[in-house]
Amino acid sequence: GEDVEQSLFLSVREGDSSVINCTYTDSSSTYLYWYKQEPGAGLQLLTYIFSNMDMKQDQRLTVLLNKKDKHLSLRIADTQTGDSAIYFCAETYSGGYQKVTFGTGTKLQVIP
Amino acid sequence: ETGVTQTPRHLVMGMTNKKSLKCEQHLGHNAMYWYKQSAKKPLELMFVYNFKEQTENNSVPSRFSPECPNSSHLFLHLHTLQPEDSALYLCASSQDTSGRDTGELFFGEGSRLTVL
Repeated sequence: GEDVEQSLFLSVREGDSSVINCTYTDSSSTYLYWYKQEPGAGLQLLTYIFSNMDMKQDQRLTVLLNKKDKHLSLRIADTQTGDSAIYFCAETYSGGYQKVTFGTGTKLQVIP
Repeated sequence: ETGVTQTPRHLVMGMTNKKSLKCEQHLGHNAMYWYKQSAKKPLELMFVYNFKEQTENNSVPSRFSPECPNSSHLFLHLHTLQPEDSALYLCASSQDTSGRDTGELFFGEGSRLTVL
């Protein structure tokens, strides 16, 4: 089956950039997502990228997609303490039946 | 109310108990999901319902029994669970499973289950 892998933990200082990485195995992925889970809450979609794109930028967030290496990254510029959360990478293949596969989540700790 | 709501938020049960988790969505969606979140493991899809019909059972043990009476409500009935079933159980909804949209999932806050 499809696999999505990401590191479990990342620590950065407030004001620095954070880069969270993810690799996936399904070459037929249509959409790739980043979800954010704040403490005590469910997951919330942060951003997504369609598989025919290489990059997407949304304010402090930059998503980079390398389809050849099946690598997805999320860069958060000027990281704030409010960015502390678990970030889940996910992918789906929209071939008539859509099922989203998630990674383990990367816990981002922002040090003041 | 808006979004996806789950009850109870916390549940402690013995291995011989029977309990149920409830999920309700107010988004007009047609697909609903149960996911299991355990530490250091990928978020694990358990069940999918599309227009009240079960379309996915991801090899889940029979001690977990889902029920979807309508597109807005989803239950997870629990009986004779094991301590390793302790986890956060997340409910989610989406427009449907056709793949015609972005596939965004809308999650509830989860039910934290502890099995003693």
